[in-house]
Amino acid sequence: DADVTQTPRNRITKTGKRIMLECSQTKGHDRMYWYRQDPGLGLRLIYYSFDVKDINKGEISDGYSVSRQAQAKFSLSLESAIPNQTALYFCATSDPGLATTNTGELFFGEGSRLTVL
Amino acid sequence: AQKITQTQPGMFVQEKEAVTLDCTYDTSDPSYGLFWYKQPSSGEMIFLIYQGSYDQQNATEGRYSLNFQKARKSANLVISASQLGDSAMYFCAMRAAMNSGGSNYKLTFGKGTLLTVNP
Repeated sequence: DADVTQTPRNRITKTGKRIMLECSQTKGHDRMYWYRQDPGLGLRLIYYSFDVKDINKGEISDGYSVSRQAQAKFSLSLESAIPNQTALYFCATSDPGLATTNTGELFFGEGSRLTVL
Repeated sequence: AQKITQTQPGMFVQEKEAVTLDCTYDTSDPSYGLFWYKQPSSGEMIFLIYQGSYDQQNATEGRYSLNFQKARKSANLVISASQLGDSAMYFCAMRAAMNSGGSNYKLTFGKGTLLTVNP
């Protein structure tokens, strides 16, 4: 089983619908992130959470909200989906701190492909 | 603000040849890290290699090496002896601190380079 699991993997929905993308991890990491990937734009940070009580907006948070239900779970919601939110969404985790052996590498889920019609 | 630039939207290479994918970065943080990730057509993100800003030697991982030129703020990925399975999108990313102590950080990604390996 994957260390970082995203559900659903694929979803087609209609404009105005509420959508939740879920992420769970077994790596024991405190830090979790949601990124969005669009062709030609790379990955852009939507929200991040450094622990259960610490949630922060990234560079493109408008139209999104998140919930950190537990250390292992971080959900992304689109309250009213619109077509330009069609994208590939990634959840990721990382190890805290800057110890000499810790690079801050992100561990990614397999991605959730969302299409908003 | 941190910025990562990948100037090559697409690259082609013949199988068994070496290829260099360019990455330049900008940060005022003296402590940072640079990563390369591979994304095959299946979509998953695969970590390839890491270089810390204080590392004295260029990082290497098998056929991957990172040509780190700190003064020029470049961190190019070199893939030796290309294989058909190397065809993928490649992302350069930079870890930079979000607080003065450096314990909180985020990764900023470039726009990617699509590498095609021809037989």
